[in-house]
Order: sequence, then structure tokens, then C-alpha cells
Amino acid sequence: DQQVKQNSPSLSVQEGRISILNCDYTNSMFDYFLWYKKYPAEGPTFLISISSIKDKNEDGRFTVFLNKSAKHLSLHIVPSQPGDSAVYFCAASSASKIIFGSGTRLSIRP
Amino acid sequence: KAGVTQTPRYLIKTRGQQVTLSCSPISGHRSVSWYQQTPGQGLQFLFEYFSETQRNKGNFPGRFSGRQFSNSRSEMNVSTLELGDSALYLCASSPTTGEPGNTIYFGEGSWLTVV
Repeated sequence: DQQVKQNSPSLSVQEGRISILNCDYTNSMFDYFLWYKKYPAEGPTFLISISSIKDKNEDGRFTVFLNKSAKHLSLHIVPSQPGDSAVYFCAASSASKIIFGSGTRLSIRP
Repeated sequence: KAGVTQTPRYLIKTRGQQVTLSCSPISGHRSVSWYQQTPGQGLQFLFEYFSETQRNKGNFPGRFSGRQFSNSRSEMNVSTLELGDSALYLCASSPTTGEPGNTIYFGEGSWLTVV
């Protein structure tokens, strides 16, 4: 039973364009959502988060959107840069538990 | 401020053996959680410890166990290793547990290969 789903295993985007990574969740009890970025042979690093009381949070080139009615969140990266090539995990939190999606591998092509 | 430290970084074990992995959280962090990452499976939650008590547990067999010490350092143990246990094991720490906005910070992981 996957409570957090990232249905796109991979995504290829041209440098300078917008990257949109999607995530769906099933548990309406989740009250906090996070995105992590992972390079090979490194641990995931925290990128951006959003509380369930908001629908948008922006940090530089990164914006996370939350649609509670659809149980959907997305991460927008604009403009995309070569260093953004990595695996991105979305996560949902409730109480002391954080559940991660299976990840989306983002490749930024020149 | 030092990050989450995991040891060893790489290890190879034989089927049937057991392994112990260690994690030192960020100073002041009292919650430590463990995750397993395998290709295509994302980050699977193993368990979480807070103040030496296991607060949450994922859906892993009893061969996977852990503990936390009074200084918040944590260890996880896998007994009777199977080939399918080959994975990256990640430790993460956070200041508290059970609160909204509970961002966790990961170490670089321990790569376990079972042969």
C-alpha cells in the first residue's frame, strides 16, 4: 500500500526550461510535505517543504504547490540547470512518521 | 555543526551473517530514523527512535532491529542476511518527533552488499 506515489520514474528536461515533478498521496492525515534531492552515492538532502495549511511555498528557483482536494503536490524548478540532475523524492509527514515516494530521476539536457 | 555520520560507508557480507550499522545524529537531535533504499523502491522506512524508545516501525521482518543510546547515537542490526538485503541504509535525524514540520536530515548512508 503506497501512501505516497511518484508515478514518473524519470523525467528529461532541457536546460533553462521548467521541470515539474509530481507526487500523489492517499492519506488525508498528512499535514506536512517535503521534497528531497539525492545525488548518487550521497544521502538525500532537504530541498523545500510545505505545510498543509498552505498551497504554495517558494524558495528561489524551487516552488512547491499543494492541492489538498486532489491529494497532489508538485515541485517546479525554473529555470532548470545541469546541477539539478538528480533523483527527487517527495515525502509526506503525519505525527512522527515520514513516508517517501519511490523517486523521480530528473535529467537536465543541454 | 557536523551532519549525520554513518559507519561503515561500505561493507560486504555473506548470506547468513549479521551486520551492525552505526549512526551519530546531528548534535542536539534526539530522533533517529532508518531507511532502506533499493533500486526502484524508493526509501522504505525501517524504524524511528526517540529518547532511546522505538516510536515507529515499518513493515520489515524481525531480522531488522535497532536501538538508540542515551547520547542519541543509534545502531541497526540485520541478522541472517539474505541477498535481498543488499541496499543503501540511510540514517536520518531530527530535533524532535511528532510535530508538524518535522524535517529530517540524512547521512550519506551505508552501502551493504550481501553475497
